[in-house]
Amino acid sequence: GQQLNQSPQSMFIQEGEDVSMNCTSSSIFNTWLWYKQDPGEGPVLLIALYKAGELTSNGRLTAQFGITRKDSFLNISASIPSDVGIYFCAGGSSNTGKLIFGQGTTLQVKP
Amino acid sequence: GAGVSQTPSNKVTEKGKYVELRCDPISGHTALYWYRQSLGQGPEFLIYFQGTGAADDSGLPNDRFFAVRPEGSVSTLKIQRTERGDSAVYLCASSLRGGAVYNEQFFGPGTRLTVL
Repeated sequence: GQQLNQSPQSMFIQEGEDVSMNCTSSSIFNTWLWYKQDPGEGPVLLIALYKAGELTSNGRLTAQFGITRKDSFLNISASIPSDVGIYFCAGGSSNTGKLIFGQGTTLQVKP
Repeated sequence: GAGVSQTPSNKVTEKGKYVELRCDPISGHTALYWYRQSLGQGPEFLIYFQGTGAADDSGLPNDRFFAVRPEGSVSTLKIQRTERGDSAVYLCASSLRGGAVYNEQFFGPGTRLTVL
C-alpha cells in the first residue's frame, strides 16, 4: 500500500543532542500527525498539524506542516533516554478518515 | 480515562482457521479505524467506520477480511481461512469524529496475530 517516505530510517545519538526527522509525500495532505511507538504498544499521538505552514510544539518536540502540504518534520531537543522508540509520521486527506503512515524512524539514545 | 482496548492481545491460529479480533474504542468517539502493521513497517489502513457504517473499506486486502460495528461502538475484525501472510499486528484506533478536521486518532495496543 501507499506509504510516505520518512527519513532517516534510524538514528543513534548521544543523550542531550537534538534530533530531526522528516517525511515527504508525492500527494497533498490536509493533516499531518506524528506518533511514537514503543515495543509491544500501539502508536501514541505526539503532535497533530492542520494548516500548511503551521509550527507546533509539545514540550521538547516541535513539528511543522510544510507549506506545499507534501512534507512535515519533527524535531526533538535535548534528547533523553526515554525518547527511545520508533517515530511515525502520518498524513490524512479531507474525504476519508484513513491515515497514510511513513516507514518509521528508529531512535536510540546513548546515555 | 480508558483508552482504546483490544482483545485478545495475542492470537495464534492455524492456517485455514477463522479468527475474530475485538476493539473497544474510547467512549464517545464516533469514528473507528482498523490498521495492520507488519514487522518493520508503519501501520497500513484497512477500514474506517463512521458510526455503524463502513465509510471506507478500501484497505481490506481481499474478501476473507470483514469488519462490523453493529451498535456504533465495539468493532470486530473477522478473518476467514487465515493464511500465513495474515500474520501481523492488527491495530484499532478511534477519533472523536471522522474525516480530516478532527483526525486525531488514538490507538489501542494491538492484537498480534500469528498464523502457523
